[in-house]
Amino acid sequence: ETGVTQSPTHLIKTRGQQVTLRCSSQSGHNTVSWYQQALGQGPQFIFQYYREEENGRGNFPPRFSGLQFPNYSSELNVNALELDDSALYLCASTHWRINSPLHFGAGTRLSVL
Amino acid sequence: ILNVEQSPQSLHVQEGDSTNFTCSFPSSNFYALHWYRWETAKSPEALFVMTLNGDEKKKGRISATLNTKEGYSYLYIKGSQPEDSATYLCAFGSINNDMRFGAGTRLTVKP
Repeated sequence: ETGVTQSPTHLIKTRGQQVTLRCSSQSGHNTVSWYQQALGQGPQFIFQYYREEENGRGNFPPRFSGLQFPNYSSELNVNALELDDSALYLCASTHWRINSPLHFGAGTRLSVL
Repeated sequence: ILNVEQSPQSLHVQEGDSTNFTCSFPSSNFYALHWYRWETAKSPEALFVMTLNGDEKKKGRISATLNTKEGYSYLYIKGSQPEDSATYLCAFGSINNDMRFGAGTRLTVKP
């Protein structure tokens, strides 16, 4: 069983640029969610995708967008990067069942200069 | 409570001590309550997912309880070991398909 993989592991961008982070879900999982974790805080929910449709969103502006592909891999896109976007971005996949846990990737560390 | 709150923020115990953490969450729109263990340089790992009021789950020396009416969950570790050192996160899943995490409790177990 292949786990959740994220790429890249680290990324440095400058303010105003755009970034795409990628996530490959665990085999058999049809739901993916993305989280932003800033220093000293818990992961903050960005959004969730189920069968290629966004079906849940946290309190993040529209410049945070995503895609889920037919093979259930996923992308997180962030436009017009701001310094406060510097964080660890976690992807998690699960199967759409009430008692299914999240399976997390190792994260992408984004630094915005 | 609108957000998920965890206490204490950090905890230092001796090997062999038993300990417990608290997670407080909104008592409305409840769907599920998750507990995760996050070791340094690793990915968060699921411990429990609880959905029903009064649920109790156990995995080895770790157990958890759930009270959805008053909006709290307890995580217990019996006979802490150094390998239990990690950050323990709880997450509230709502019926609106969002997942709210607490800031975590950082546990350090000294040999």
